Amino acid sequence: NAGVTQTPKFRILKIGQSMTLQCTQDMNHNYMYWYRQDPGMGLKLIYYSVGAGITDKGEVPNGYNVSRSTTEDFPLRLELAAPSQTSVYFCASSPQTGGPHEQYFGPGTRLTVT
Amino acid sequence: AQSVTQLGSHVSVSEGALVLLRCNYSSSVPPYLFWYVQYPNQGLQLLLKYTTGATLVKGINGFEAEFKKSETSFHLTKPSAHMSDAAEYFCAVALETGGFKTIFGAGTRLFVKA
Repeated sequence: NAGVTQTPKFRILKIGQSMTLQCTQDMNHNYMYWYRQDPGMGLKLIYYSVGAGITDKGEVPNGYNVSRSTTEDFPLRLELAAPSQTSVYFCASSPQTGGPHEQYFGPGTRLTVT
Repeated sequence: AQSVTQLGSHVSVSEGALVLLRCNYSSSVPPYLFWYVQYPNQGLQLLLKYTTGATLVKGINGFEAEFKKSETSFHLTKPSAHMSDAAEYFCAVALETGGFKTIFGAGTRLFVKA
């Protein structure tokens, strides 16, 4: 199993540009999550999904959108990039059967908006 | 509201010394507690978790943590630090509602001196 994969690893965007961060998992997990990590701030939840076709907002959803058309894929869309979106983005998945389980993380995407 | 507090953003120990990373949580319901480790330029990976049962939990790489309900704590320890333990450590509490969202602490960076 490859686990959770994310592309790209690095990206530089200009203010106002858009992009999609890709996330794929091959563990057949029903729950998937997107986080951003800023220095000294831990991880903040952007969006999550409990299954294909179902998504919901997390703590910091403004400026982002997601979709979940399949169990495997959970892309994160940035519209009109702003410098405040400079961060490291992590995708995670979890089986979440019978109660909260640990999350499995991808390697991250480091995004800079200038 | 649920929250996680990690005392000390940076901890420095000598190789062979005791490692103690502190975590306190607040939760209105019995918590599911986790410790994750993040090595440079990588995603988070699970060290150990507490769900129910035995309050002393053993994890990978010689780490363990004890759930103390009366103190609302879940401190992480390792008897003897190794250079390879240098990383950032995150304490987290998972909620049994709303998509099993996980709240992460701000993280503690562990430095190990030779």
